[in-house]
Amino acid sequence: ETGVTQTPRHLVMGMTNKKSLKCEQHLGHNAMYWYKQSAKKPLELMFVYSLEERVENNSVPSRFSPECPNSSHLFLHLHTLQPEDSALYLCASSQEDRSGVDRAEAFFGQGTRLTVV
Amino acid sequence: AQSVTQPDIHITVSEGASLELRCNYSYGATPYLFWYVQSPGQGLQLLLKYFSGDTLVQGIKGFEAEFKRSQSSFNLRKPSVHWSDAAEYFCAVGSEGNEKLTFGTGTRLTIIP
Repeated sequence: ETGVTQTPRHLVMGMTNKKSLKCEQHLGHNAMYWYKQSAKKPLELMFVYSLEERVENNSVPSRFSPECPNSSHLFLHLHTLQPEDSALYLCASSQEDRSGVDRAEAFFGQGTRLTVV
Repeated sequence: AQSVTQPDIHITVSEGASLELRCNYSYGATPYLFWYVQSPGQGLQLLLKYFSGDTLVQGIKGFEAEFKRSQSSFNLRKPSVHWSDAAEYFCAVGSEGNEKLTFGTGTRLTIIP
């Protein structure tokens, strides 16, 4: 039990489908993240939400649409994806110290293995 | 911009042998440094982190890492590996007041009997 739960664990979708990935954190954290992990590439930060506001969007295509309805839940809505979007999508959360004294580590979920066919 | 380099893509070590995984970073100020481990089909688990103070950091599962500013390195070590240590290891760098972590490409560790 990592405190960050992602569903589903595996997802296969066609390029015309619409699906959503869900992430829930039980740690009382104030920041949540979506990362993309592709083979032989570094983890790519996609989106950051801090206090339910999106603070970073790393030039992610609009076919990926995040939603953060509250501090415990994060969604990634997917539509008209491409085969190159197949990857492991990781959600993470952290407790950010706004005073800048500390830098919290991120706690990760187990990921959703996405295959686009 | 901050960056992380893990020069070894794959390392094979005999069970019981010592281990050192290399990590070099590029960052203008004092970095915040992390090592994560990922077992197959799992998310990332934090092994240890360095923010300030003692440059030798102890982590979980018997791992330690040493921050060397002069070499811009944060290498991960373990004196005696166990078969259960087989996994992928990621080094990451962060900065104060910024939620973004930059990860290396990872090092896959294989343990042989």
